[in-house]
Amino acid sequence: DAGITQSPRYKITETGRQVTLMCHQTWSHSYMFWYRQDLGHGLRLIYYSAAADITDKGEVPDGYVVSRSKTENFPLTLESATRSQTSVYFCATRDYNEQFFGPGTRLTVL
Amino acid sequence: QQQVKQSPQSLIVQKGGISIINCAYENTAFDYFPWYQQFPGKGPALLIAIRPDVSEKKEGRFTISFNKSAKQFSLHIMDSQPGDSATYFCAAGWGKLQFGAGTQVVVTP
Repeated sequence: DAGITQSPRYKITETGRQVTLMCHQTWSHSYMFWYRQDLGHGLRLIYYSAAADITDKGEVPDGYVVSRSKTENFPLTLESATRSQTSVYFCATRDYNEQFFGPGTRLTVL
Repeated sequence: QQQVKQSPQSLIVQKGGISIINCAYENTAFDYFPWYQQFPGKGPALLIAIRPDVSEKKEGRFTISFNKSAKQFSLHIMDSQPGDSATYFCAAGWGKLQFGAGTQVVVTP
């Protein structure tokens, strides 16, 4: 009963490379979210999805792409990674009002 | 722009003391105000939440105080324990959440 899993947990990449962060839930929560966490900024919403094939931008969407072909998966792609995208990324689901967070992916862009 | 402002950035409290974290929001349409607790290397987890029709909510040693007219809410941790050492985030919203910047709490033995 894992809830939310994220992979990889750690990733180092180079500027300009494409990177995909995976998020998988074992529940069937309709809403899923991607946040980035940076010191001094708390958690900032990148993209969210209300259901399969329905996605929308959050507060900081530039440089990111999402898709959601299945309810349980919500991958986040950095099409051409930049150093400013070095961060910890959290995926979350929502059940009623409560959001449940995954363990996070620490991404470093060199 | 940050719609939820949280203070202080960090605080140190002795075991048994009271920790108080404050948040202010701007959007009067927000109707859900949760606090999340995060330990190093983990994702945030819901600690306690309140809706604007209530001025206070208590769960164990954790209490939220809510002031709708001032657009402020706070978290009080009573009888703080070393295991409470963590980062605490306030948030506000009505579906999507806006998070504060976080407060690192250290409880000394």
